[in-house]
Amino acid sequence: GAVVSQHPSWVICKSGTSVKIECRSLDFQATTMFWYRQFPKQSLMLMATSNEGSKATYEQGVEKDKFLINHASLTLSTLTVTSAHPEDSSFYICSAQGGHSGKETQYFGPGTRLLVL
Amino acid sequence: AQSVTQLDSHVSVSEGTPVLLRCNYSSSYSPSLFWYVQHPNKGLQLLLKYTSAATLVKGINGFEAEFKKSETSFHLTKPSAHMSDAAEYFCVVISFNDYKLSFGAGTTVTVRA
Repeated sequence: GAVVSQHPSWVICKSGTSVKIECRSLDFQATTMFWYRQFPKQSLMLMATSNEGSKATYEQGVEKDKFLINHASLTLSTLTVTSAHPEDSSFYICSAQGGHSGKETQYFGPGTRLLVL
Repeated sequence: AQSVTQLDSHVSVSEGTPVLLRCNYSSSYSPSLFWYVQHPNKGLQLLLKYTSAATLVKGINGFEAEFKKSETSFHLTKPSAHMSDAAEYFCVVISFNDYKLSFGAGTTVTVRA
């Protein structure tokens, strides 16, 4: 149980295009999901908290118009990188809170590697 | 505010020997602490968590961690390393105000044959 999937796992796009990444909790409902960004050889950086049915909460320094988050259902959150540029290339990981282990446990997706050319 | 510090950026061990990954925490109240593992180009997998129950926590794949309040530590150990343990390990603390996680910088484990 407590499986989180992400799609796509890999995406390559041209500069200026938008990319949508999906995060799904497969076997539990997640009212809260989190989006992280990870640079090579570094730890995870929280970008935003995604709450079902309400606006996402962004961390300081994260552009909300650049990284659009939609949490339309209890099992799906999406991150859209708008007008992507090479500096947006990174590993994006989502997590979903809850499942059987309660609110303090987050289950992570496998990540999406984005390369912007 | 809560934070964790991983004391070793890289640990190298021989297969079959013990592994010790060190983590110290800072928290104004009794924390909940986690260890996650990340294999290359993969997401994070929960190894174990401490939530104010037993101070010695057993996790998956033979890992365990001990919460020591007097030392503000939550070190991760495994008695016998396997090649498949080569990965990045993160010590994590959670804020109960907003359930946000704070990650340590990570420890890279390499296992020599």
